[in-house]
Amino acid sequence: GAVVSQHPSRVICKSGTSVKIECRSLDFQATTMFWYRQFPKQSLMLMATSNEGSKATYEQGVEKDKFLINHASLTLSTLTVTSAHPEDSSFYICSVGRNGWAFFGQGTRLTVV
Amino acid sequence: QQQVKQSPQSLIVQKGGISIINCAYENTAFDYFPWYQQFPGKGPALLIAIRPDVSEKKEGRFTISFNKSAKQFSLHIMDSQPGDSATYFCAASGETSGSRLTFGEGTQLTVNP
Repeated sequence: GAVVSQHPSRVICKSGTSVKIECRSLDFQATTMFWYRQFPKQSLMLMATSNEGSKATYEQGVEKDKFLINHASLTLSTLTVTSAHPEDSSFYICSVGRNGWAFFGQGTRLTVV
Repeated sequence: QQQVKQSPQSLIVQKGGISIINCAYENTAFDYFPWYQQFPGKGPALLIAIRPDVSEKKEGRFTISFNKSAKQFSLHIMDSQPGDSATYFCAASGETSGSRLTFGEGTQLTVNP
C-alpha cells in the first residue's frame, strides 16, 4: 500500500481566517494526490486533483480561489481554505494513488467558528 | 453526478451473521471497484477491491461479488463481528481516471453482540 499522513487532524479557526492542511505521502512519490470533503453522515466528494508541478484540477462547483492547492513536491500537497466560513466546516481527506489503488490519510476535521 | 448507487443506507446484523451491501454503477468505463471501511473521525481504509476480469474475490471474511453485465457489485461480510460496525463505501474508477474515485453513498453497518 501507501502510507499517507495528514496534518493537522483537527483544527478550529475563526471565521474569515485561512487554514492550511498538509497531506504527505510517506513511502511513495506521488505525482497526483486527491482532496475530498465529507460532511457528517455523507459520502466523500472529490474536490480536486492535485498535480505535482502544475495547477490543480478542480471539480465542478468547487471554488479554486477559496480552496488553494499546492503540490510543490512528490511527497507533499497542501490544501488552504481561505477566508473560512462556518459552512466550510467539514472533514477533509486526501488520498494518494499507487498502481491504480487509492490510499487515504486520516483526515482533518475543520471547524470554523 | 452520482454514478455509483449504494444500498442499503443502514444495516443491522447479529454477531455471526452475514452482512451484504450492494452497489450499482452506470459508467461502463469503470474498471476498478474498491470497498472502504470508515470508522468515525478516521479516513477510509481500503478493505478489498476487484477488477472486472473476475466475478468474485475473497479475502478472509470479506468477499466481493461482481456482475459485469448487470453493472453491480456487492460486499459480503461473513461471520460479522461487533468490531465490523462502521460505515462502508463502495467506489469505482476507470483507467482514464486513475485513482480518482467516485463513491457510493455509504452504508452504516451495526453488528449487535
